[in-house]
Amino acid sequence: AQSVTQPDIHITVSEGASLELRCNYSYGATPYLFWYVQSPGQGLQLLLKYFSGDTLVQGIKGFEAEFKRSQSSFNLRKPSVHWSDAAEYFCAVGAGDRGSTLGRLYFGRGTQLTVWP
Amino acid sequence: DTEVTQTPKHLVMGMTNKKSLKCEQHMGHRAMYWYKQKAKKPPELMFVYSYEKLSINESVPSRFSPECPNSSLLNLHLHALQPEDSALYLCASSQDPGRVRQPQHFGDGTRLSIL
Repeated sequence: AQSVTQPDIHITVSEGASLELRCNYSYGATPYLFWYVQSPGQGLQLLLKYFSGDTLVQGIKGFEAEFKRSQSSFNLRKPSVHWSDAAEYFCAVGAGDRGSTLGRLYFGRGTQLTVWP
Repeated sequence: DTEVTQTPKHLVMGMTNKKSLKCEQHMGHRAMYWYKQKAKKPPELMFVYSYEKLSINESVPSRFSPECPNSSLLNLHLHALQPEDSALYLCASSQDPGRVRQPQHFGDGTRLSIL
């Protein structure tokens, strides 16, 4: 069965510091992986996605993620965090619903990012 | 700017009221989704419409009734809700229901409070 694990519930970093948010997935086939960000009172915004090709993908707002099949991981990184990056971050895997071709997202529980000035 | 528009942004209703949430997208997407999100939790899938037909119902109580009048609109009709139904309701769309590689685009949600 598909599952996504985000082991860190809450991460705090100082502004300007580097950031890495962890994501591990469980999926039997080629995973389609996504990172979304949610600011307070808003919906989810797509940061980046991976489904094939180069394992290092670039996204919006200076974020990148690296797919490592051997570790079943898709960690999100940013070299220098800005105060506006404070938000909830969700990793998700796209898969067919119960083996069907109808796609759906399976979310991790999310990581809350706090940025200190 | 979000390409999926949800109205209203906030809704307060009593347990005996009937109200509707609305969602609209003009990206030509053929899959539309309703999610429920409680605080500090990931979104939970409620319904999926594929080419305007209900394709997934995640055992949602009948007090929630979805409707897809056309390919651009998605409604969620609410009746006799319970306090535990208070949450953020998110609508999303994606281009092709059968292609899981295509990302879902989310609206900003409706914050629903049940008195």
